Amino acid sequence: EMQLVESGGGLVQPGGSLRLSCAASGFTFSSYDMHWVRQATGKGLEWVSAIGSAGDTYYPGSVKGRFTISRENAKNSLYLQMDSLRAGDTAVYYCARGGGGYCGSTSCSQTFDYWGQGTLVTVSS
Amino acid sequence: DIVMTQSPDSLAVSLGERATINCKSSQSVLYSSNNKNYLAWYQQKPGQPPKLLIYWASTRESGVPDRFSGSGSGTDFSLTISSLQAEDVAVYYCQQYYSTPLSFGGGTKVEIK
Repeated sequence: EMQLVESGGGLVQPGGSLRLSCAASGFTFSSYDMHWVRQATGKGLEWVSAIGSAGDTYYPGSVKGRFTISRENAKNSLYLQMDSLRAGDTAVYYCARGGGGYCGSTSCSQTFDYWGQGTLVTVSS
Repeated sequence: DIVMTQSPDSLAVSLGERATINCKSSQSVLYSSNNKNYLAWYQQKPGQPPKLLIYWASTRESGVPDRFSGSGSGTDFSLTISSLQAEDVAVYYCQQYYSTPLSFGGGTKVEIK
């Protein structure tokens, strides 16, 4: 059975850092592009980052330069290093597998076909 | 960046009746080289992560009931639930995957009347 399990969320002060992890199982992790998507409480969905199976990375302007996505295929794990955190980064962070579409040299155009349950990040003093 | 706009924000439909959600993109998400619309729909029930329902604007994901259908092309799309069931109460989101940054509509909450 396919599973994505996020961890690492918690309370952090503005300007602080946090590292999220996502443990994948039930599929060949190294063959798939992976994403992070976040959702503030009661709000909509926002794409946060992606990493291709070959290691190329993609970010929206709102987090570029502050967040770093990475993967460790030997451990079937996806990570999100979040630095210079702001109150606006408070959200549930979901790990998601890339579905239809593809990640190329300059963009990663995909759906999200499997999602984890999410981990809550709260940025507050 | 492509902005996705959904309407209405919420709708209440009687059991067994049709529900239609609209989604408009700020620019076309139709890729001319393969004639595919890079548009997906998701369902999110309370306390759960989103679930992919439809991709390429009209292709149902495996296991999705056939009462869910997607239509449209270019910039205007719709998700239709032909006969609303109690288990369909959820928030529905459209998403464009034509270009990064990937973006979602604001969501439409579907309730039972």
